[in-house]
Amino acid sequence: ETGVTQTPRHLVMGMTNKKSLKCEQHLGHNAMYWYKQSAKKPLELMFVYNFKEQTENNSVPSRFSPECPNSSHLFLHLHTLQPEDSALYLCASSQDPQRGGPETQYFGPGTRLLVL
Amino acid sequence: ILNVEQSPQSLHVQEGDSTNFTCSFPSSNFYALHWYRWETAKSPEALFVMTLNGDEKKKGRISATLNTKEGYSYLYIKGSQPEDSATYLCASPRGSSNTGKLIFGQGTTLQVKP
Repeated sequence: ETGVTQTPRHLVMGMTNKKSLKCEQHLGHNAMYWYKQSAKKPLELMFVYNFKEQTENNSVPSRFSPECPNSSHLFLHLHTLQPEDSALYLCASSQDPQRGGPETQYFGPGTRLLVL
Repeated sequence: ILNVEQSPQSLHVQEGDSTNFTCSFPSSNFYALHWYRWETAKSPEALFVMTLNGDEKKKGRISATLNTKEGYSYLYIKGSQPEDSATYLCASPRGSSNTGKLIFGQGTTLQVKP
């Protein structure tokens, strides 16, 4: 248990569906992250939130819409996805990365998404 | 663009063997190097964070070294056990400061046979 939970663990959706991924951290961290891992590719950073403010959007298509209502919760809203968006989506959290010193990121177990 | 490369991509060893693998990163604007272990169906687990050239860190049978001048880090596992089977990831922050924007390598997948 890393203190970061993700739901659901598996999701199958059609291209016209709207769904949301949820991440919750119980570590008292201020920063939260979404990563994507496609088959045969490295973990790829999508979004970073620090103190609820988005500090990074790594050129992610608008069909992925993040939401960070507070420092403990992070959502990824999905709509009109494509089959190539099928991947493992990981959430992570850390202390404020700008407070000085490298901060370890703690990961959830991921949501395996299949878009049909 | 920061490229983090890992080799080999996969490794099969017998129980009791010692093994090592490599993470390469650009040596300019280095800030930190992270190592993670990722077991199937679990969360990636942090192993080490390294910042200083020549640094060596150890956790049980696993150790890591860092050479920031030439841009590489080695991860060593002494006396591999089946429970060491996992994918080992390294990552470095984009930029010369701690932005939290980690760039990951593709990982080295280790399989330890009993």
